[in-house]
Amino acid sequence: AQKVTQAQTEISVVEKEDVTLDCVYETRDTTYYLFWYKQPPSGELVFLIRRNSFDEQNEISGRYSWNFQKSTSSFNFTITASQVVDSAVYFCALSSGNTGKLIFGQGTTLQVKP
Amino acid sequence: GAVVSQHPSRVICKSGTSVKIECRSLDFQATTMFWYRQFPKQSLMLMATSNEGSKATYEQGVEKDKFLINHASLTLSTLTVTSAHPEDSSFYICSAREPGLYGYTFGSGTRLTVV
Repeated sequence: AQKVTQAQTEISVVEKEDVTLDCVYETRDTTYYLFWYKQPPSGELVFLIRRNSFDEQNEISGRYSWNFQKSTSSFNFTITASQVVDSAVYFCALSSGNTGKLIFGQGTTLQVKP
Repeated sequence: GAVVSQHPSRVICKSGTSVKIECRSLDFQATTMFWYRQFPKQSLMLMATSNEGSKATYEQGVEKDKFLINHASLTLSTLTVTSAHPEDSSFYICSAREPGLYGYTFGSGTRLTVV
């Protein structure tokens, strides 16, 4: 069975602080895909990154970076020098198996205070 | 990039009536679409997988007679909430598999309020 756990329900930081959002996943499949999405108050999901199980390279995109570690089944997301506009709910998600279902973690609400 | 259009964005209906939500892929053919429900301050819960030309596959605990899904064409999937009740009030969002890529495109969501 697939499962995604985001243990941090809410995080509050002050602007310019770095913040890491944790994601731990479970799957028995050897081929799978991991995602991060941002959901602002409007409700729309904003795609941030996709990573497949064979690509463990970490990635940096501007102030965003991702650390994928298969050994610990984790796919953590770091925002460097956070900004107020980063305030949103962030979801980690997993897709594996033939069904193509995308399963979401519980989400982490990030509040960045000025 | 791939775009999925979802309508309506907001709907208020009376208890006991039915509401239809449309999810349309604008520039690609979507053989598979997914429907999610999200209650306030909660995660997105997968309701069902919709495949073009066949019956939808519902997740455990989702009433298929209450949430009717139709995927009659490669660009349109609809979710009808039948005999809606206040507890059905939620944010419903659809998603389509992107062609050629292992990714997903999401609609903008529908906020349903049943009064």
